[in-house]
Amino acid sequence: NAGVTQTPKFQVLKTGQSMTLQCAQDMNHNSMYWYRQDPGMGLRLIYYSASEGTTDKGEVPNGYNVSRLNKREFSLRLESAAPSQTSVYFCASKLAGRTGELFFGEGSRLTVL
Amino acid sequence: QKEVEQNSGPLSVPEGAIASLNCTYSDRGSQSFFWYRQYSGKSPELIMSIYSNGDKEDGRFTAQLNKASQYVSLLIRDSQPSDSATYLCAVTPNFNKFYFGSGTKLNVKP
Repeated sequence: NAGVTQTPKFQVLKTGQSMTLQCAQDMNHNSMYWYRQDPGMGLRLIYYSASEGTTDKGEVPNGYNVSRLNKREFSLRLESAAPSQTSVYFCASKLAGRTGELFFGEGSRLTVL
Repeated sequence: QKEVEQNSGPLSVPEGAIASLNCTYSDRGSQSFFWYRQYSGKSPELIMSIYSNGDKEDGRFTAQLNKASQYVSLLIRDSQPSDSATYLCAVTPNFNKFYFGSGTKLNVKP
């Protein structure tokens, strides 16, 4: 039972490069999320998707784009990476409805030089 | 912007003691509240949820909610070294967006 799978787990980019973080879940969840975690800042919501075909901005969406490719997959794209985007990125998913249990992936550590 | 505030700690307690973790939130529209535990280098996992004023107990964990004071707390009784982790408070107004505090690091000393 894989749960939420994120790739890659580690990535080093140069300023201005682009990349896509991939996330897939096999729990038949409707909602999916992208968070970033920085020291002392907790988890901050970048984007979320309540269902296939819908996405919505979170607290810190600038510099990111997302695609909900299908029910299973939710990708996060950095078009022109900046050092301020150095962070650990977590993808999460949950069932639809009144449940607060987010299932998180293992995280992707991104460094932008 | 939904603000969720937690003392970053570290909070150090001896083994067997009660650990008390606190969280305040600014949005009165917040309806539901959660505590997640995150071990170092790992992803967060849900340990408690609470939706109405009062206390909710689950084993050694008790969540307390006071909506009038916009305050949520987590008590851990008989703390164990395995409880050493960062505890994240989360709130949601609608079960769509979830907002997290910065977390409190707990150290339980043997």
